[in-house]
Amino acid sequence: AQSVTQPDIHITVSEGASLELRCNYSYGATPYLFWYVQSPGQGLQLLLKYFSGDTLVQGIKGFEAEFKRSQSSFNLRKPSVHWSDAAEYFCAVGDSWGKLQFGAGTQVVVTP
Amino acid sequence: EADIYQTPRYLVIGTGKKITLECSQTMGHDKMYWYQQDPGMELHLIHYSYGVNSTEKGDLSSESTVSRIRTEHFPLTLESARPSHTSQYLCASSARGELFFGEGSRLTVL
Repeated sequence: AQSVTQPDIHITVSEGASLELRCNYSYGATPYLFWYVQSPGQGLQLLLKYFSGDTLVQGIKGFEAEFKRSQSSFNLRKPSVHWSDAAEYFCAVGDSWGKLQFGAGTQVVVTP
Repeated sequence: EADIYQTPRYLVIGTGKKITLECSQTMGHDKMYWYQQDPGMELHLIHYSYGVNSTEKGDLSSESTVSRIRTEHFPLTLESARPSHTSQYLCASSARGELFFGEGSRLTVL
């Protein structure tokens, strides 16, 4: 069965500092991996995705993620966070049929 | 940019009422999904459809039902709402494995 673990429920980071959000997955085949962001009261917006190829993927808003098969991880990073990055971030794993398994999410708080 | 619309955005109703949450997409996607999300929690798949007249239950058991009569429309219905149905319901469609989400319908049952 597929599953996604986001170990950090809540992260506080200073504006301008770097951010890394962890994601570990369990999946029987080559996974499709995603990071989504959700602002309060809104739906989910795709930040980036990994299907195959280069294991370092670039996304929107300056985010990037690295797929490490040996560690079953797909961690999200941003070199310098902005106050507008405060939101909830969800990692997800799935296949080409679009049925995704989501992690529990990581709430990011950005302090001045 | 995906165009997927959900109505209503917010709904407060009394116990026992029948409600329908609407979801429409304009991309012609065959695959559509309903996820349920409680505050601060992960998303759980409750229904999905791979095309017209095709509907399946998801991983999380739900008393809601869905229909797919037209490609662009995937409504979710609760015949008799209860307080335990209070949640946010997110509709999505997909192409090439990527999900595009609507802004959600937040349902409160009193």
